[in-house]
Amino acid sequence: SQTIHQWPATLVQPVGSPLSLECTVEGTSNPNLYWYRQAAGRGLQLLFYSVGIGQISSEVPQNLSASRPQDRQFILSSKKLLLSDSGFYLCAWSTGTGGNTIYFGEGSWLTVV
Amino acid sequence: AQSVTQLGSHVSVSEGALVLLRCNYSSSVPPYLFWYVQYPNQGLQLLLKYTSAATLVKGINGFEAEFKKSETSFHLTKPSAHMSDAAEYFCAVSGSSNTDKLIFGTGTRLQVFP
Repeated sequence: SQTIHQWPATLVQPVGSPLSLECTVEGTSNPNLYWYRQAAGRGLQLLFYSVGIGQISSEVPQNLSASRPQDRQFILSSKKLLLSDSGFYLCAWSTGTGGNTIYFGEGSWLTVV
Repeated sequence: AQSVTQLGSHVSVSEGALVLLRCNYSSSVPPYLFWYVQYPNQGLQLLLKYTSAATLVKGINGFEAEFKKSETSFHLTKPSAHMSDAAEYFCAVSGSSNTDKLIFGTGTRLQVFP
């Protein structure tokens, strides 16, 4: 069966510091991969999605970037964190877009102080 | 383009009472519709999914949802609430094209009182 893991689960970082959140999927090949952010009191915002190695699409302009160095690995990064980057970040995968179910990881809490 | 609207950011029910969480969608193509549940500090878990095979969709934990095209609705129901149902619920929609992505509503927080 397929599993998805992301880490770290919680992170407290000072403003201006770098960020790296990692996500890996097991049990499937060539998945679509996603990074979502969930801010307090708001819904889920799609940040990035990837349909293959090195292929990244950004949904909104922001202080973050994503990379996919391997087929089942997805990394969310920032060079300098802002207070507004605080939130709950969710990695997810699907076998493809167009009606396919998206499966989520456990989430990572980021607090920028 | 697709979108969903969840009516009511908070819903409170007593244990044993009917749960009704409302979702209306907008889609220019036949939609795929989803309900997800999120327990505190966890990721989202799929409750059920509509794929046009049947208008009444049964999901996990006793939940079900009915697709009503005439009302553009996909409301989530459960006959009898349990304390363990307290969570946030998200409705989502997607089209069938490979360029379509899953679009989420803003969520409804369900509280269950003893």
